[in-house]
Amino acid sequence: DGGITQSPKYLFRKEGQNVTLSCEQNLNHDAMYWYRQDPGQGLRLIYYSQIVNDFQKGDIAEGYSVSREKKESFPLTVTSAQKNPTAFYLCATETMTVREQYFGPGTRLTVT
Amino acid sequence: AQKITQTQPGMFVQEKEAVTLDCTYDTSDPSYGLFWYKQPSSGEMIFLIYQGSYDQQNATEGRYSLNFQKARKSANLVISASQLGDSAMYFCAMREAPLNRDDKIIFGKGTRLHILP
Repeated sequence: DGGITQSPKYLFRKEGQNVTLSCEQNLNHDAMYWYRQDPGQGLRLIYYSQIVNDFQKGDIAEGYSVSREKKESFPLTVTSAQKNPTAFYLCATETMTVREQYFGPGTRLTVT
Repeated sequence: AQKITQTQPGMFVQEKEAVTLDCTYDTSDPSYGLFWYKQPSSGEMIFLIYQGSYDQQNATEGRYSLNFQKARKSANLVISASQLGDSAMYFCAMREAPLNRDDKIIFGKGTRLHILP
């Protein structure tokens, strides 16, 4: 089945620890995105990558880091520098036609 | 200034009635694309419908249609014959200059739709 996988669905960490969220796709889409969603809010862009070994900061990149070593994978690291890391994180890929985005199931991160 | 405005934080609609979810947008770019996404309680974002700024006709996808009024910068989503499974959060989004690979999708804050049996 073609799709986007994010794991785990729920993640719990202690404050001060870095944590890496996984995003894998087999849709053969070039572009991948990371969004953050807070309760009652829309999506805010963290990082995006349009090709392998290249990525750009989004609107709220501080405290996050990414890598894009393979087309299929775009992991997001939430570092201890992120002040309010508890949120729902969504990964997306993008087609090159009308450029709609397809989303993974999301990871809900709770930091205490 | 907000690029995408969804003025209805929540709506309650009786099953089988039609629903209109409002969305207004702000752009000075003549070329743009408008999207609607559905987010059920599971959290996954589901793409529903797309409208290009140069499209002559309103987009339709099954029970979904987009009421595109370019002069008013309005892109309302219409759901015909609503079903209980339509209960979800709905997001309007816009991409300016869709052929520009550096451009990003901007999302509104969403409308929570509740379908009543």
